[in-house]
Amino acid sequence: EDQVTQSPEALRLQEGESSSLNCSYTVSGLRGLFWYRQDPGKGPEFLFTLYSAGEEKEKERLKATLTKKESFLHITAPKPEDSATYLCAVQAGSDSSYKLIFGSGTRLLVRP
Amino acid sequence: GAVVSQHPSWVICKSGTSVKIECRSLDFQATTMFWYRQFPKQSLMLMATSNEGSKATYEQGVEKDKFLINHASLTLSTLTVTSAHPEDSSFYICSARTGVRRGQPQHFGDGTRLSIL
Repeated sequence: EDQVTQSPEALRLQEGESSSLNCSYTVSGLRGLFWYRQDPGKGPEFLFTLYSAGEEKEKERLKATLTKKESFLHITAPKPEDSATYLCAVQAGSDSSYKLIFGSGTRLLVRP
Repeated sequence: GAVVSQHPSWVICKSGTSVKIECRSLDFQATTMFWYRQFPKQSLMLMATSNEGSKATYEQGVEKDKFLINHASLTLSTLTVTSAHPEDSSFYICSARTGVRRGQPQHFGDGTRLSIL
């Protein structure tokens, strides 16, 4: 069964304190792994797509990496405006519907 | 680019009322849209996949007669919650894919908070 697990469930950081969020996945044929950011009361905002092991993508203070079993979202010198829930999702190669399987998310709070 | 608009953003209504939620892709055509439900502090639960011009595909456990989906054009899908009851209160979010290539992301609307009194 395709599955996505995110850790930690919640993370509190001081401004400038770098850290990483983890997304472990089990999927039959990975079409893509996606990272989204979700602010309270809003829909998820697309951040990155990763396709294959070894791939890395960066955007401002965020950097996403991918291995055959997990993905990391590294946050370098975070600011309070980075506070949000970060969601990881996978698209399985065996599923022609292109639907996403989401993890439960990591709630990030960055204190000034 | 890839903007998805959802309307209304908030609705409060009495038990037994039917509520329609619209999801529009503003700057692209979406042959496939998705409807999700999200409970507080939980992740997104896929309810159904909406395909333009054909019947929606519902996930296991989702009542087809309760949650009616129509995808009549390449830019509009609607979700109607029929005879809504308090247990249907939730945050409903739609998304749309921008293409059919491998790994194309889904882009999400800002959700509709439904409160049934």
